[in-house]
Amino acid sequence: QQQVKQSPQSLIVQKGGISIINCAYENTAFDYFPWYQQFPGKGPALLIAIRPDVSEKKEGRFTISFNKSAKQFSLHIMDSQPGDSATYFCAASSQAGTALIFGKGTTLSVSS
Amino acid sequence: NAGVTQTPKFQVLKTGQSMTLQCAQDMNHEYMSWYRQDPGMGLRLIHYSVGAGITDQGEVPNGYNVSRSTTEDFPLRLLSAAPSQTSVYFCASSPTSGSSYEQYFGPGTRLTVT
Repeated sequence: QQQVKQSPQSLIVQKGGISIINCAYENTAFDYFPWYQQFPGKGPALLIAIRPDVSEKKEGRFTISFNKSAKQFSLHIMDSQPGDSATYFCAASSQAGTALIFGKGTTLSVSS
Repeated sequence: NAGVTQTPKFQVLKTGQSMTLQCAQDMNHEYMSWYRQDPGMGLRLIHYSVGAGITDQGEVPNGYNVSRSTTEDFPLRLLSAAPSQTSVYFCASSPTSGSSYEQYFGPGTRLTVT
């Protein structure tokens, strides 16, 4: 049973455009929703995270939008750059849980 | 701080061989974990530890053992390697005591079992 569903599997965006990656979760006990960025040959790196008490969190060009009632959250990358080309993973966890549950990942390619 | 370190970076094993993947962190994090990453599957939790002397199973523990004798080290042992264990293995640690929040990952070990 996949608890975190991520889409799309791959995404191609023009330089300067907006990249949007979506995730949906099932477990209402989840209370921490991070996004990780992974470059080829590297480990995932924590990019940005949100708690369900806010609907949006912004850090530079990266924004998480969170919809608690729909059990969905998304990552928006504004002014996408070729250096943003990477695989992005959403994840979820809970205070009582002991694991991050990951989505299957989205490969983003930003064309110049 | 070196963060989370993993050795080796690459390893080739024959079916039936055993080996230990090393993981160490110098951030005094209580929580540590091991994930495997396979194409199209995301990252799946193998084992985790909430502190020295305490370990537990994750989603895909079969064929793997762990121990946690110190806060710094969390080795992963493959008992009898199988081709299905060909994967990239990541170790991670978290500064949040007792939970998996804010995990920081090592650079990974790419394992091939022939």
